[in-house]
Amino acid sequence: EVQLVESGGGLVQPGGSLRLSCAASGFTFSNYWMHWVRQAPEKGLVWVSRINGDGSSTNYADSVKGRFTISRDNAKNTLSLQMTSLRAEDTAVYYCVREGLGGSYLTWGQGTLVTVSS
Amino acid sequence: EIVLTQSPGTLSLSPGERATLSCRASQSVSSTYLAWYQQKPGQAPRLLIYGASNRATGIPDRFSGSGSGTDFTLTISRLEPEDFAVYYCQQYGSSPLYSFGQGTKLETK
Repeated sequence: EVQLVESGGGLVQPGGSLRLSCAASGFTFSNYWMHWVRQAPEKGLVWVSRINGDGSSTNYADSVKGRFTISRDNAKNTLSLQMTSLRAEDTAVYYCVREGLGGSYLTWGQGTLVTVSS
Repeated sequence: EIVLTQSPGTLSLSPGERATLSCRASQSVSSTYLAWYQQKPGQAPRLLIYGASNRATGIPDRFSGSGSGTDFTLTISRLEPEDFAVYYCQQYGSSPLYSFGQGTKLETK
């Protein structure tokens, strides 16, 4: 069974840091682009970042560029998102997502909630 | 920057009726890179349609997608009780690299 399981969310103060992880199973992890997509409470979906199969190429949304870093460990089938200089507007559920055909999002994790508040 | 606008914002229908959801792009989008998702409360989104008209694995054939250029449509031919949810369109390839519409809430009339 294909599965993505996020962890690492929680409450953090503005300006703080947090590291999210995503454990992948049931597919050949290194063959896929992986993404982070977030959803603020009662809001829509927003793409955050992506990384290619071997980790050599990354992209970020303008809103997180310079603050967030995406990485992967193909030996451990793990995707990570290091978040620094967190702001209130970063409060959201963060989903780990596997990319499918045509840039579509084929598989989603259950999400992990990040709350930035003092 | 490409913007996806979905309409209507809320659609009130009854089970058995036909639902037509619209997604309009501010610039042309390749059909290859247009997808639709369903999201129920407290759940992650689920891929319904990719490449504008291809159903994802396990998606019932009452769901269909169509369109090209700047106008895309998701049609649910005959609503089942489990279809009431929020639906999002998504594009890949234009600035921003990936973007979503704001969503259409399909609610029971």
